[in-house]
Amino acid sequence: GDSVTQMEGPVTLSEEAFLTINCTYTATGYPSLFWYVQYPGEGLQLLLKATKADDKGSNKGFEATYRKETTSFHLEKGSVQVSDSAVYFCALTWGYQKVTFGTGTKLQVIP
Amino acid sequence: DGGITQSPKYLFRKEGQNVTLSCEQNLNHDAMYWYRQDPGQGLRLIYYSQIVNDFQKGDIAEGYSVSREKKESFPLTVTSAQKNPTAFYLCASSLGTWEGPMAKNIQYFGAGTRLSVL
Repeated sequence: GDSVTQMEGPVTLSEEAFLTINCTYTATGYPSLFWYVQYPGEGLQLLLKATKADDKGSNKGFEATYRKETTSFHLEKGSVQVSDSAVYFCALTWGYQKVTFGTGTKLQVIP
Repeated sequence: DGGITQSPKYLFRKEGQNVTLSCEQNLNHDAMYWYRQDPGQGLRLIYYSQIVNDFQKGDIAEGYSVSREKKESFPLTVTSAQKNPTAFYLCASSLGTWEGPMAKNIQYFGAGTRLSVL
């Protein structure tokens, strides 16, 4: 079945550091890929998405590129802020299937 | 503002008791979902509904029940049969599948209900 694998957290970075959160997937079709973010005590919000190979999703300084050859969708940000501290979920879906979420990666940014 | 409202924010269940979590949306979305979130396990799908008066079991439906009598509302009941109900419960909605697969794919979440056992 479909699955999403994310790097283990927590990830602790200093403010202005470069962020990478790895995400790889397994899917039988050609999925759409997503990153969601969950701030403490809240629900999830869509951060960015990509619908086909080589697409780059971007939002709020975050970027992720759909790499079909490596089945990956790594999340990056050039300079993190304390306000970026949250849990980040990679997810996929294709066709009319349900959304499959990764286990989440907690990011803590320290001043 | 359009969105999804979950209530209560915190809920406590006594042994043998059924409790109901509320989920209301004013986004005019056809599809609604319930997820359970446990530490380190991501989100697991409990039930989903693609249209009023219809719903399907997700991956962990045992011990839960739902209804979908109105488009705006999708309440979840945690029954006494659910032996380990302590978790964070999230409700989500999306456009219906007949809007095209991409429309369905983007889910909008409520702020969640944290359920604990007394």
